[in-house]
Amino acid sequence: DTGVSQDPRHKITKRGQNVTFRCDPISEHNRLYWYRQTLGQGPEFLTYFQNEAQLEKSRLLSDRFSAERPKGSFSTLEIQRTEQGDSAMYLCASSLVNQGLPYGYTFGSGTRLTVV
Amino acid sequence: QQPVQSPQAVILREGEDAVINCSSSKALYSVHWYRQKHGEAPVFLMILLKGGEQKGHEKISASFNEKKQQSSLYLTASQLSYSGTYFCGTEGKTSYDKVIFGPGTSLSVIP
Repeated sequence: DTGVSQDPRHKITKRGQNVTFRCDPISEHNRLYWYRQTLGQGPEFLTYFQNEAQLEKSRLLSDRFSAERPKGSFSTLEIQRTEQGDSAMYLCASSLVNQGLPYGYTFGSGTRLTVV
Repeated sequence: QQPVQSPQAVILREGEDAVINCSSSKALYSVHWYRQKHGEAPVFLMILLKGGEQKGHEKISASFNEKKQQSSLYLTASQLSYSGTYFCGTEGKTSYDKVIFGPGTSLSVIP
């Protein structure tokens, strides 16, 4: 168990460019979540998957954001036409839901995005 | 809907106790508690399922009152390592929901 891995750790991009982040969850976990966190705030929900199915996407999320989890393994989060307001820490987490019982989330170290 | 946490911040001396509260306006299935140190990812502390149970983790324990839709985190005999921001997270409806996190409570333990 190597934990949740996120890549890259830091990303600086110019406004208007597209960026893609990757998350590798704990292999035994069937749930994968994406959150966004800005300074002094709690993690804000973006979207989540159970295996390869995307179960929910936040209504606050614009169409510029898209996430995939092909084959139920790693996940990617893409932001198109980045804006300065997209600057934040993007956190990925994974968990296990077993027989209807939830377990705690394991978070990755995050990808810090800076849009200049 | 985001849960409410109180207090926003607290400063303790080593050995003192603290209580952090979390409340929601909607029916809850579970409450999670996490601690995040500066520059690090949130770390899971415990989860409480509806049923009013109380759980413990060393000198950190929590309770969940599902009727009042409230949870409290209790830190006893605080240590310097307890410093960080504590987030509660709530799950509504069923277990097939996602966690919505509160704004956090900053805890500083000083010698």
